[in-house]
Amino acid sequence: DTGVSQDPRHKITKRGQNVTFRCDPISEHNRLYWYRQTLGQGPEFLTYFQNEAQLEKSRLLSDRFSAERPKGSFSTLEIQRTEQGDSAMYLCASSFVAGATGELFFGEGSRLTVL
Amino acid sequence: GDSVTQMEGPVTLSEEAFLTINCTYTATGYPSLFWYVQYPGEGLQLLLKATKADDKGSNKGFEATYRKETTSFHLEKGSVQVSDSAVYFCALSDQGGSQGNLIFGKGTKLSVKP
Repeated sequence: DTGVSQDPRHKITKRGQNVTFRCDPISEHNRLYWYRQTLGQGPEFLTYFQNEAQLEKSRLLSDRFSAERPKGSFSTLEIQRTEQGDSAMYLCASSFVAGATGELFFGEGSRLTVL
Repeated sequence: GDSVTQMEGPVTLSEEAFLTINCTYTATGYPSLFWYVQYPGEGLQLLLKATKADDKGSNKGFEATYRKETTSFHLEKGSVQVSDSAVYFCALSDQGGSQGNLIFGKGTKLSVKP
């Protein structure tokens, strides 16, 4: 399968711990996006990369959230000092930049539960 | 800022019934509009899209028309099947789509009974 893959699929952690999620996009895609989805809500945009450059990060939820894409391939999303309110599904998507009408391809998500 | 409002769910229909899921948007520019679907246990996938006013997107028997005058993009299907049971999300491209990121509605869960 050559779709977007995310790891881990489910993470349970205690409040105050750090967690990291990984996303492997479709190989020929140069844009990579992170979204958060809470129960009963649609996905909420967090940040995106074009190749290794992070072009938008103002919508990251707090300074506890950070993302990297060091070589323009896979990406990681780290949450430091987790809080119960961070419990959500974290979605990764990728696309080939093609202007305004490009389709985003989503992974199945990484579900975070903070106890 | 830009936003999307879609009808509350859940929606329960019998097989072969007509489906409409309403979606309206607020945008300062000229966004592209999308419907994404999430089947149980799967990731979001694009169902259809429209990039300018009066465009009609269609796929798998679903249709939606970009109505600028009513700022709407309602999803319709003439005869639903059990396999259409899923959560449907309306979305628009943010800031004219220059970044490609999407703003989503809250989603509408559809259940189709045999």
